[in-house]
Amino acid sequence: DTEVTQTPKHLVMGMTNKKSLKCEQHMGHRAMYWYKQKAKKPPELMFVYSYEKLSINESVPSRFSPECPNSSLLNLHLHALQPEDSALYLCASSQEDFSYNEQFFGPGTRLTVL
Amino acid sequence: GDSVTQMEGPVTLSEEAFLTINCTYTATGYPSLFWYVQYPGEGLQLLLKATKADDKGSNKGFEATYRKETTSFHLEKGSVQVSDSAVYFCALSKGFGNEKLTFGTGTRLTIIP
Repeated sequence: DTEVTQTPKHLVMGMTNKKSLKCEQHMGHRAMYWYKQKAKKPPELMFVYSYEKLSINESVPSRFSPECPNSSLLNLHLHALQPEDSALYLCASSQEDFSYNEQFFGPGTRLTVL
Repeated sequence: GDSVTQMEGPVTLSEEAFLTINCTYTATGYPSLFWYVQYPGEGLQLLLKATKADDKGSNKGFEATYRKETTSFHLEKGSVQVSDSAVYFCALSKGFGNEKLTFGTGTRLTIIP
């Protein structure tokens, strides 16, 4: 199994809602990532988990809350989002002990905040 | 800081044309270099990679050579197909494990029959 899966594929939510994005991989990777991608832009790193511990937080607003319940799963909890948070949210994973950080990406969740 | 500069798009070519998408980088040390492709409505797929100077990455007819002297990693394909239409991102990574990827701005490629 060499893929990263993400659910849901599409999500529409209001500014007062609470929702969660889910990411799963079964490649034995120990590093997992959340990226945000706006239209016609490259992905921007949000969070990195290494061995289930948060290792990088790129100054992301607290309305985004990541969680890594185990080495295969990564969640992104969303609360009180703003319309400008509408974007494609991508999850990725990589083997922690590789020297060149080859990241495998999921298909993304397209989020619309009304 | 580290950065990646990509050829501005969009690029439009006819089927079977030769493709070059330029990518140059600025980084200290010895980064690894990647090309990712993003088809419409999808996530990113790793197209090819090179981890040290003079390495050539290749996949699906695409090639790129890691040139340290010119800090470049240009993407080439000898004969493009309509199915190659996508956005291409050049990226670099510096460290072990969880170092972040630094992406270029992306180049949108459209191939017309």
